[in-house]
Amino acid sequence: KNEVEQSPQNLTAQEGEFITINCSYSVGISALHWLQQHPGGGIVSLFMLSSGKKKHGRLIATINIQEKHSSLHITASHPRDSAVYICAVRASGTYKYIFGTGTRLKVLA
Amino acid sequence: DVKVTQSSRYLVKRTGEKVFLECVQDMDHENMFWYRQDPGLGLRLIYFSYDVKMKEKGDIPEGYSVSREKKERFSLILESASTNQTSMYLCASGTQLNQPQHFGDGTRLSIL
Repeated sequence: KNEVEQSPQNLTAQEGEFITINCSYSVGISALHWLQQHPGGGIVSLFMLSSGKKKHGRLIATINIQEKHSSLHITASHPRDSAVYICAVRASGTYKYIFGTGTRLKVLA
Repeated sequence: DVKVTQSSRYLVKRTGEKVFLECVQDMDHENMFWYRQDPGLGLRLIYFSYDVKMKEKGDIPEGYSVSREKKERFSLILESASTNQTSMYLCASGTQLNQPQHFGDGTRLSIL
């Protein structure tokens, strides 16, 4: 079993839909990151969380430390949101990051 | 804005060749990382460096070595390239604080 599990692996939505991507992890962490990867490879950081909730535009990320679970929500989805979303955790006491396998999101116009 | 630059976007090499992948960052970050990304497996850490001339093996170091002679540059070396090293290679840099990593655009390497 992977130390970081994401669901779903693939997601297709209609423009305007509310989207949720989930991430569960099994190790102690100092922080959790949500990343976005567009076709072509470049990865950008969307959020870094150690507790609670963060919002940036139409994106919301939450984390429940006790349950070792995080969610990424996209409100009013748009075709430009189509990308792979990756959950990554920084294991406690290390410089290392452990990555989920990603959720491939496609938003149709 | 932090910039992490990888020397090539696409690279084709032959089996047995020695391959160098270069990565440069411009933000004076202490930590630098090399990952490979394969379908269904996510990003896996090959090596990381937390200071000049310092390196630690990641999860899949076999067949690779690294060099960090200057703080801004971290090189990944495939000593004798093999077809199972065909992959997307991503470099990242970061501080020792709990801050996001910054990624390069990746190098898609094909070994024939």
